[in-house]
Amino acid sequence: KNQVEQSPQSLIILEGKNCTLQCNYTVSPFSNLRWYKQDTGRGPVSLTIMTFSENTKSNRRYTATLDADTKQSSLHITASQLSDSASYICVVSPPGGSQGNLIFGKGTKLSVKP
Amino acid sequence: NAGVTQTPKFRVLKTGQSMTLLCAQDMNHEYMYWYRQDPGMGLRLIHYSVGEGTTAKGEVPDGYNVSRLKKQNFLLGLESAAPSQTSVYFCASSYAGTPYSYEQYFGPGTRLTVT
Repeated sequence: KNQVEQSPQSLIILEGKNCTLQCNYTVSPFSNLRWYKQDTGRGPVSLTIMTFSENTKSNRRYTATLDADTKQSSLHITASQLSDSASYICVVSPPGGSQGNLIFGKGTKLSVKP
Repeated sequence: NAGVTQTPKFRVLKTGQSMTLLCAQDMNHEYMYWYRQDPGMGLRLIHYSVGEGTTAKGEVPDGYNVSRLKKQNFLLGLESAAPSQTSVYFCASSYAGTPYSYEQYFGPGTRLTVT
């Protein structure tokens, strides 16, 4: 069964520090891999989308990397801010780009403390 | 440009009651989706639509029906609500086309409680 596993489940860091969230997947091959940010009580918002041929994609202080050989992706947050407190969700799209079968991870809940 | 909006934001139902959740998007997206999000679980697709007048089942379609009579609206119906349908429901929409245009834009969610 195609799966997306995220770690850690939750993380607490101090404001200004960096952190890295992990995503391991078994979907192979795949069309694209996405990272979403979900604030409490809100809908997810896209941070990055990478195709299988891309290694890295940045969006301001967020940098996503992809290693297709090890089937791992990471999301690195630089100089964290209080507003980074949210859940971060990794999503993998199987081949063919079908919109009906995205595979969502359970998310990592990040808390940034002052 | 409001993006994706959902109505209502909160609702409490008794077991057996029915209701309709409304999703509207103003981005002229072809595709629309309904998800549910439960504690400790990833988002799960209920139904989706690839165009006006079309619908398809997702991962967890039982107990739900949908309709896409207009391109900008996607309705999710619960005919006879059950406590297992207590959840947060998210609507999303996206363009069709290249892999990059598959980005999904989510609404703010509807928190439904069935007692």
